[in-house]
Amino acid sequence: AQSVTQLGSHVSVSEGALVLLRCNYSSSVPPYLFWYVQYPNQGLQLLLKYTTGATLVKGINGFEAEFKKSETSFHLTKPSAHMSDAAEYFCAVSAPNTGNQFYFGTGTSLTVIP
Amino acid sequence: EAGVAQSPRYKIIEKRQSVAFWCNPISGHATLYWYQQILGQGPKLLIQFQNNGVVDDSQLPKDRFSAERLKGVDSTLKIQPAKLEDSAVYLCASSHWTDSYEQYFGPGTRLTVT
Repeated sequence: AQSVTQLGSHVSVSEGALVLLRCNYSSSVPPYLFWYVQYPNQGLQLLLKYTTGATLVKGINGFEAEFKKSETSFHLTKPSAHMSDAAEYFCAVSAPNTGNQFYFGTGTSLTVIP
Repeated sequence: EAGVAQSPRYKIIEKRQSVAFWCNPISGHATLYWYQQILGQGPKLLIQFQNNGVVDDSQLPKDRFSAERLKGVDSTLKIQPAKLEDSAVYLCASSHWTDSYEQYFGPGTRLTVT
């Protein structure tokens, strides 16, 4: 079975500072990993995904994440936070043997302080 | 390309009443998902359709929830009778059969049961 743990339900950073949102996963098979962003009263928007190949993946809005198999992690980073980055972020895992069913973490709320 | 459409966006009902949500996926997407997102939690899959057939409904509370996808396009999710704990955002997502691990989400329907 697959599962996701997001450390820190709330993260605050200053504008221009590094953003680091943590995600650890559990999977019995090579996983597919995703980060989604959710703005208030909106659906989820895909930021980036890892399926196979290069372990450092780049997404939209300057975000990137690195798949580290040895640490079972897929942390999301952005070098410089913008006010518009304030939102809820969800990490998700899926695997082919589960019919690509998604398992989401509980989310991390990012606040950007001006 | 039009996104996933959902209606209504908001619904308030009393417990023991019934309610229905509608979803129109992205054109050409064979796979459709319904998720329940309780406040402070990540989305949880309720049911997955492939065309008009059910792939996975293991987490659907079948004593009160039902869903259908007639003609393999639009879908409706119904709750009858509603309970207080059903208060949540109900998200619909769709994916193309050739890229089933990338899901596109609608804006969701926020249900409040009083």
